[in-house]
Amino acid sequence: QQQVKQSPQSLIVQKGGISIINCAYENTAFDYFPWYQQFPGKGPALLIAIRPDVSEKKEGRFTISFNKSAKQFSLHIMDSQPGDSATYFCAASKGSSGSARQLTFGSGTQLTVLP
Amino acid sequence: NAGVTQTPKFQVLKTGQSMTLQCAQDMNHEYMSWYRQDPGMGLRLIHYSVGAGITDQGEVPNGYNVSRSTTEDFPLRLLSAAPSQTSVYFCASRRGGFRTGGPNTEAFFGQGTRLTVV
Repeated sequence: QQQVKQSPQSLIVQKGGISIINCAYENTAFDYFPWYQQFPGKGPALLIAIRPDVSEKKEGRFTISFNKSAKQFSLHIMDSQPGDSATYFCAASKGSSGSARQLTFGSGTQLTVLP
Repeated sequence: NAGVTQTPKFQVLKTGQSMTLQCAQDMNHEYMSWYRQDPGMGLRLIHYSVGAGITDQGEVPNGYNVSRSTTEDFPLRLLSAAPSQTSVYFCASRRGGFRTGGPNTEAFFGQGTRLTVV
């Protein structure tokens, strides 16, 4: 059972355009939603994260929009650059009594920004 | 600081062979975990540990063993490799072990081990 569904699988954007990656989750107990960025041959690295008590978080050109009622969140990359070409993973986690938090990942989006 | 170090970076195994993927972190993180990354499936949790001497299963534990004798090291053992275990394996660590509530702290990933089982 895929608890975090991510789309699209791949995305091609022109330089300067806006890249949008969407994720939907099923478990309403999730309370932390990070996005990870992965370059070829490297491990994922935390890009930006949001908690459900806010609807938007912005860090530079990267923005997370969060819709709690729809159980959806998305990553927007403004003024996309060729250096943003990477695979992006959304994730979610929840607290669990007596157990460590775990990250549940989406399936990933391969973003290509054309020069 | 080196962060999270995985060795080897590449490995080819024959079906039935065993091997150990090494993972070490120098950040004194309590929590360590192993994921496998397969195309179109994201990262799936294999095993994790909340501190030395404590390990538990993740989503896809079959065919893998782990141990945590020190805070720094968390090796992953493949007992009898199968082609279905061909994947890229990532080790990750973060502060915080056996905690409830509150957001995760940042997870730091190693550079991965690309394993091919033929």
